[in-house]
Amino acid sequence: NAGVMQNPRHLVRRRGQEARLRCSPMKGHSHVYWYRQLPEEGLKFMVYLQKENIIDESGMPKERFSAEFPKEGPSILRIQQVVRGDSAAYFCASSPAGTVKNIQYFGAGTRLSVL
Amino acid sequence: EDKVVQSPLSLVVHEGDTVTLNCSYEVTNFRSLLWYKQEKKAPTFLFMLTSSGIEKKSGRLSSILDKKELFSILNITATQTGDSAVYLCAARGGGADGLTFGKGTHLIIQP
Repeated sequence: NAGVMQNPRHLVRRRGQEARLRCSPMKGHSHVYWYRQLPEEGLKFMVYLQKENIIDESGMPKERFSAEFPKEGPSILRIQQVVRGDSAAYFCASSPAGTVKNIQYFGAGTRLSVL
Repeated sequence: EDKVVQSPLSLVVHEGDTVTLNCSYEVTNFRSLLWYKQEKKAPTFLFMLTSSGIEKKSGRLSSILDKKELFSILNITATQTGDSAVYLCAARGGGADGLTFGKGTHLIIQP
C-alpha cells in the first residue's frame, strides 16, 4: 500500500518560470491538502481539495498559485512566474473521507529552489 | 488566528533518557490535536487526540491532551538514537480543513 507520492522531490526553477508539483494520494483517499514549509517555519496550510473541487483555499496566495485535483490523475500545485520567495518545501497530505479525515498522511515533499 | 506553540524548539539528551515535548494551542472550535515525527522525509503520523485525560500509547511513546489548559505533551521513554527527529504538533479547529502546525521540536539523541 503505497503512501502519498510526491514528485519531483527536488525542483529548480529560474525566476519567472512555472513550477508544477504533483501529488498522488494514498489508495482510497479522496481528500488532498497542500502545505508550504519555509525555512525555520512550521508547515502552513495552503489548500484543501476533493476530486474536481477546491473546498478551502484560504491559505493560498491570491496570485500566481493554483491547485487542482482532477477526476483522473494526481493533484497539481502550480506556481506561475516563480520568485525567490517561493523557495520552500511543499508537502501534500491525503486523508480518507468521514470522521477519520482528521488524520492526514503526508508525502515526502517537493523542495523548490528558485534561482 | 489559530496558533500552535511548541517547546522546547530543540533538545539534546543522551540515549536512555526520558523526554517530554510540549505543545500549547489556541484554535477556534478545537476538534483534534495531532503529533507527527519528521525525519528527512515525510512527516509520519504518531497520535491523534480529541479527548482530555486519555493517554495514547505506542511503544515507548505516549501523549495526553488537556483541553482545559489547551496543551498536549508527548513523552518518549528510554530514548534511542533512532528517535532523533523533528516532532511536529498540529491542531485542527472547526470550520478549518487544514491543520495549524507548530514550528516543531528538534530532538537529538546522543549515544
